[in-house]
Amino acid sequence: QKEVEQDPGPLSVPEGAIVSLNCTYSNSAFQYFMWYRQYSRKGPELLMYTYSSGNKEDGRFTAQVDKSSKYISLFIRDSQPSDSATYLCATWDTGNQFYFGTGTSLTVIP
Amino acid sequence: DAGVTQSPTHLIKTRGQQVTLRCSPKSGHDTVSWYQQALGQGPQFIFQYYEEEERQRGNFPDRFSGHQFPNYSSELNVNALLLGDSALYLCASREGVPGELFFGEGSRLTVL
Repeated sequence: QKEVEQDPGPLSVPEGAIVSLNCTYSNSAFQYFMWYRQYSRKGPELLMYTYSSGNKEDGRFTAQVDKSSKYISLFIRDSQPSDSATYLCATWDTGNQFYFGTGTSLTVIP
Repeated sequence: DAGVTQSPTHLIKTRGQQVTLRCSPKSGHDTVSWYQQALGQGPQFIFQYYEEEERQRGNFPDRFSGHQFPNYSSELNVNALLLGDSALYLCASREGVPGELFFGEGSRLTVL
């Protein structure tokens, strides 16, 4: 079983839609959870960073962690064409290693 | 402030050859890690360097080796290249624990 599982999509939505991206993870000891955005031919960049359970909001983006179900979510409100990218969920273990999901490809259609 | 820089950006090799990829971390960052990202996949952890030593290694064979220099820059070496080594190789640096990972734009390796 992989440490982080993510639906690869692709996902295509109209501009202004609410987007929901999801991951599951295997190890209940994971405490740090991240979402990265990767544009084509670029390196990933950090979008959101949460510790333990709960929600974190940053503008149009909300990250949610449910440790009881080992579920990580990213919500994008009022999606824009510039949000078109691959979104990677990630977690970090105290052994000093980051684990990434496969990424979900998102296209926002004007 | 320059972020993580990697070179070369693209390269083509043939099976059996060796390749060296280079990385300069973000200013102030002392920990460098390398990732392999195959097409349509997420980054896979290769190894991490701190204080010029390999501190953590992912599930990659010994053909993958690395080095960190006193100025924190790093190299990734891959010997006896296989077709399956074709991928985007990402370098990331961070400061602190766990710290935010800052990625470079990667070196795209094609093995023919």
